[in-house]
Amino acid sequence: EAGVAQSPRYKIIEKRQSVAFWCNPISGHATLYWYQQILGQGPKLLIQFQNNGVVDDSQLPKDRFSAERLKGVDSTLKIQPAKLEDSAVYLCASSPWAVNTGELFFGEGSRLTVL
Amino acid sequence: AQSVTQLDSHVSVSEGTPVLLRCNYSSSYSPSLFWYVQHPNKGLQLLLKYTSAATLVKGINGFEAEFKKSETSFHLTKPSAHMSDAAEYFCVVNLLAGGGSQGNLIFGKGTKLSVKP
Repeated sequence: EAGVAQSPRYKIIEKRQSVAFWCNPISGHATLYWYQQILGQGPKLLIQFQNNGVVDDSQLPKDRFSAERLKGVDSTLKIQPAKLEDSAVYLCASSPWAVNTGELFFGEGSRLTVL
Repeated sequence: AQSVTQLDSHVSVSEGTPVLLRCNYSSSYSPSLFWYVQHPNKGLQLLLKYTSAATLVKGINGFEAEFKKSETSFHLTKPSAHMSDAAEYFCVVNLLAGGGSQGNLIFGKGTKLSVKP
């Protein structure tokens, strides 16, 4: 079974530029999550989708971050304009359950460096 | 508020010796607790979970954890470390158990496990 796919794996940009990350969840998984993992910290939830609807985006900095999952399958996370403090690994995860049971399947992440 | 505290940022053991990674939680409700493992440049993987059944939980690769309500702890152990166990380990609490409508995982800051030959 294919796992959660993310791209690009690495991205280096200058502050005020924009960047987009893509995620393809495990086939059939209705729920998709984006997490931000800053160096030395645990992952923090940015946004949760169920199919193509947003369930929780309370911790998403909406002035610069946006995310969509238009067809209820793959998803993109965009940052515009980027700040130095956005340097982090962006993790995508999926699960087959509508409710967060705690059992998530993670991709390998997209590492962003903002200079 | 619910939270987890991983007491050690870095643990180093010799191959073949026991592993102990410590985690304390804070919760107003009976929590669901998890350990995830992250190998270098790999995605997080669920190691084991506690969801109010047996207090001693067995996971993959010989790891286990014991839920102790009186001590608000959920320490991760393994009798004998292997080189392949070198990774970062995260203790996680699920807010769903606290009445959240959708659940949200709160991750600890992680413990990096090094295994010496």
